[in-house]
Amino acid sequence: IAGITQAPTSQILAAGRRMTLRCTQDMRHNAMYWYRQDLGLGLRLIHYSNTAGTTGKGEVPDGYSVSRANTDDFPLTLASAVPSQTSVYFCASSEVLDTGELFFGEGSRLTVL
Amino acid sequence: GQNIDQPTEMTATEGAIVQINCTYQTSGFNGLFWYQQHAGEAPTFLSYNVLDGLEEKGRFSSFLSRSKGYSYLLLKELQMKDSASYLCAVRDSNYQLIWGAGTKLIIKP
Repeated sequence: IAGITQAPTSQILAAGRRMTLRCTQDMRHNAMYWYRQDLGLGLRLIHYSNTAGTTGKGEVPDGYSVSRANTDDFPLTLASAVPSQTSVYFCASSEVLDTGELFFGEGSRLTVL
Repeated sequence: GQNIDQPTEMTATEGAIVQINCTYQTSGFNGLFWYQQHAGEAPTFLSYNVLDGLEEKGRFSSFLSRSKGYSYLLLKELQMKDSASYLCAVRDSNYQLIWGAGTKLIIKP
């Protein structure tokens, strides 16, 4: 089934540890995004990528980094996790950047203790 | 600042009609989107409005008034499977999506 795959689904992490959330899409979409979703808040954009080889900062980029080595993969790395990064992380893609029709992965629930 | 307001939670009865409102204040406007998100799942795209008026898609309709900064999502013939959160998002002048916190819709038999 075409779509976006995220891994892991859920993870508990000690503060200070490094963590990479994986995201792969098979729709050949140019644009990819990482959002975090917290209770009572709207989705907030962390980082995005317009096309392979380019990335940009979203609304809440601090403490996170991304790379886009190819069209399909867009990993999100927390270099040194902090409790405030406890959240549900969604990867999404779209045919082109700035279209509002996004396709989301199933999410990665991260708890930082 | 940019702001999207939606009710936190609504309750409706199976078979009935419900209207979920969304008001926005953003830096420019380049379209409004509605997404559905079942608990523990990914958001999925429902509708897109860029011009004033009503867009109908089956049991779901979405309305936009740009002058009032207002939209609503209308769900008819409610089914239990419509129990979900409904997210309103506005694309601003920079083509960035600004998201509301979502409205949790509870359907009762």
